Amino acid sequence: NAGVMQNPRHLVRRRGQEARLRCSPMKGHSHVYWYRQLPEEGLKFMVYLQKENIIDESGMPKERFSAEFPKEGPSILRIQQVVRGDSAAYFCASSITLQGVGDEQFFGPGTRLTVL
Amino acid sequence: GESVGLHLPTLSVQEGDNSIINCAYSNSASDYFIWYKQESGKGPQFIIDIRSNMDKRQGQRVTVLLNKTVKHLSLQIAATQPGDSAVYFCAENGISGGYNKLIFGAGTRLAVHP
Repeated sequence: NAGVMQNPRHLVRRRGQEARLRCSPMKGHSHVYWYRQLPEEGLKFMVYLQKENIIDESGMPKERFSAEFPKEGPSILRIQQVVRGDSAAYFCASSITLQGVGDEQFFGPGTRLTVL
Repeated sequence: GESVGLHLPTLSVQEGDNSIINCAYSNSASDYFIWYKQESGKGPQFIIDIRSNMDKRQGQRVTVLLNKTVKHLSLQIAATQPGDSAVYFCAENGISGGYNKLIFGAGTRLAVHP
């Protein structure tokens, strides 16, 4: 049973380009969370999605950032017109059901974005 | 001993000793807490969790203690091994909306010396 998969593992972009980060949740998981981690810091929540729905995007910048989780295919975190401050590790986590408290999130290996 | 560097605080221990990593959480409404281990270049790995109706929970070589009065969480690792070297994060759910929007602490680096 494969875990959460993310690709690419490393992504280099120049300022102004677009970055697309992909996350395939664990089999049977329909809930996806995206987090961002700066070096030497903890993860910061960005967005929570269920299939075809954004449930909570309170941690995601209003401009340039968007996320989706289509009915078929991986979840996508999209960053338009990247700036150097977007350089970070982006982690995706998935959970199986909405049990509320105690519903374990399984994390992927992350995508390390470097903006030149 | 424990030291605070420029970035993450570091706890240095000898192999075989017990380790205690502490965390102060922020939201008194949080009712679910988790400890994660993160090795270099990898995603967080679940270690142990605890709900707010408990004050102690034990796993294999690990124990989590929760003190809601002072909003404090600790992770105890028994007989620390070199493979335990990593950054450890506590996380709280911080919301009562029916899903776990995790709030992570700053992290502590555990360095195990032979």
